[in-house]
Amino acid sequence: AQSVAQPEDQVNVAEGNPLTVKCTYSVSGNPYLFWYVQYPNRGLQFLLKYITGDNLVKGSYGFEAEFNKSQTSFHLKKPSALVSDSALYFCAVRDTGRRALTFGSGTRLQVQP
Amino acid sequence: EAGVTQSPTHLIKTRGQQVTLRCSPISGHTSVYWYQQALGLGLQFLLWYDEGEERNRGNFPPRFSGRQFPNYSSELNVNALELEDSALYLCASSRQGGAQPQHFGDGTRLSIL
Repeated sequence: AQSVAQPEDQVNVAEGNPLTVKCTYSVSGNPYLFWYVQYPNRGLQFLLKYITGDNLVKGSYGFEAEFNKSQTSFHLKKPSALVSDSALYFCAVRDTGRRALTFGSGTRLQVQP
Repeated sequence: EAGVTQSPTHLIKTRGQQVTLRCSPISGHTSVYWYQQALGLGLQFLLWYDEGEERNRGNFPPRFSGRQFPNYSSELNVNALELEDSALYLCASSRQGGAQPQHFGDGTRLSIL
């Protein structure tokens, strides 16, 4: 069975500073990894994915994520945070064969002006 | 391109009643997925439909069921509603292919009194 862990319930960062939201995963086989963002009273918005290839994946709104196979991590990063980035972020891994996404518990990002 | 649309946005039901939630996928997407986002339980996979067939289901009782129509839209039915069914129900769609990201609607908020 696959699983995803987001060790931080909340991350606080000042506007303009770099941000990192952590994610580790456990799967048998090669992982398909995803990051989503959820704003209040909205669904999940796709940010980026890792399937294969370069370990640094670039996505929407200036976000990127670094895949590290040895550490089984897929951390979300952004060089300069915006107040509008404040939201709930979910890391997910795709279940090979079943297509179901297994989500982490989510990390609330708070960017202070 | 229009996103995934879900209806209704909100529903209030009482225990024992039945409910039907509806989802229209993004044009060109043939796979539809249903997830439950309940307070304290996170995001959990419910069902996956592709080409009109149920391909997989999560760890939910049989009173959760659904179907996919020839136009790829989908319904989620929940019978004999229980208090713990109160949640945000999210529908997602994707193109065929395991590497394709799932794109989510804004969900239906179901409250059970």
